[in-house]
Amino acid sequence: DAGVIQSPRHEVTEMGQEVTLRCKPISGHDYLFWYRQTMMRGLELLIYFNNNVPIDDSGMPEDRFSAKMPNASFSTLKIQPSEPRDSAVYFCASSSGTGFYNEQFFGPGTRLTVL
Amino acid sequence: ILNVEQSPQSLHVQEGDSTNFTCSFPSSNFYALHWYRWETAKSPEALFVMTLNGDEKKKGRISATLNTKEGYSYLYIKGSQPEDSATYLCAFRGTGTASKLTFGTGTRLQVTL
Repeated sequence: DAGVIQSPRHEVTEMGQEVTLRCKPISGHDYLFWYRQTMMRGLELLIYFNNNVPIDDSGMPEDRFSAKMPNASFSTLKIQPSEPRDSAVYFCASSSGTGFYNEQFFGPGTRLTVL
Repeated sequence: ILNVEQSPQSLHVQEGDSTNFTCSFPSSNFYALHWYRWETAKSPEALFVMTLNGDEKKKGRISATLNTKEGYSYLYIKGSQPEDSATYLCAFRGTGTASKLTFGTGTRLQVTL
């Protein structure tokens, strides 16, 4: 199994530009999570999907952020327009359920720098 | 907002030292507590899932205990090695939101020769 795949691994953009981060979950996993990691706040959950449906987006910082999951094997996190304070590492994770021992498996992350 | 705290924030030990760190979490509505190991420039990797009060888990030189009544978990590393250098994260799952992990800010461990 290839694990959770994220692209790009690094993104440098200028303030005001649109940024799209991509994630492919582990095949068969029906939960997908987007996290943001910053020095100040650690690892924060932004949004998660179950069976391609957004369940909880309460962690999405503001309207500039949006996420979609058009099918079971692909999700995007979009920031439009981007701002310097969005600079962080964005992780995608997937899991196969919510039972006690269901783990979340993390992708390698996308390091975003907004200049 | 759930409060999951870890201490210390960072730790520097020498090879061979044993060490431990703490994760504190809400004692109500407990569902599970996860420990992750996160090496620099890599993604977090699962170490343990703990569900029952009094649970003890062990993987090699790393072990963890759980006290759900008082809301804390300890992670122990016996005989630290340089390859143990990483950030150790705990994450809480509550009964009302069993899908979600609320992470602590981690304990950064550095082991030197």
